[in-house]
Amino acid sequence: ELVMTQSPATLSVSPGETATLSCRASQSVSSNLAWYQQKRGQAPRLLIYGASTRATGIPARFSGSGSGTEFTLTISSLQSEDFAVYYCQQYNNWPQRFGQGTTVAIK
Amino acid sequence: EVQLLESGGGLVQPGGSLRLSCVAPAFSLSNYAMSWVRQAPGKGLEWVSSISGSGGNIFYADSVMGRFTISRDNSKNTVYLQVNSLRAEDTAVYYCGKGATTLTKFYHYYVMDVWGQGTTVTVSS
Repeated sequence: ELVMTQSPATLSVSPGETATLSCRASQSVSSNLAWYQQKRGQAPRLLIYGASTRATGIPARFSGSGSGTEFTLTISSLQSEDFAVYYCQQYNNWPQRFGQGTTVAIK
Repeated sequence: EVQLLESGGGLVQPGGSLRLSCVAPAFSLSNYAMSWVRQAPGKGLEWVSSISGSGGNIFYADSVMGRFTISRDNSKNTVYLQVNSLRAEDTAVYYCGKGATTLTKFYHYYVMDVWGQGTTVTVSS
């Protein structure tokens, strides 16, 4: 069974700083990895797909990297609206699987 | 801007059934894969099911296989999730999502780039 593991569970960052989120797959998912942002009470929003391609309308301060089993989401110059929960999702194999999420909190 | 509207959620007893619907009022979904993802209270996201634009390819999570059925009516621009034999652990907000591309050869055909606001299913006696 493919497992997606995100770290850390919570990341405390000051506005203007950079946040680095990790996602690890228990087996290779190639570059078929997406990142989503979810704010409290809202539906998730697609940020990144293909490990590094920003979705339409996503600011350049969001960047993704990695392939195989190790992936990173970097949020540069954190804005107040970026404090949220972030999920990675693999779509290389069925069933699709999400990580358990990383909360980016204000320090 | 594409909008997806879910409906059909509610309070149901264990063992009961519901049919969830997802419609795009001003956008044609016929060439896009559609998916359902759920989120239990206070928990993370769980992928539930996906269907290709033609309806010819369907996938389910193990946790709902044999109890849930995804379908679509492209003439009505609507995707459905029939949820049967409901259990307490099915309690969640159910989101529908539209695939990110019409090109079936790409893996991100099944990535959800637009999400609805969700419909809540509560299973309780």
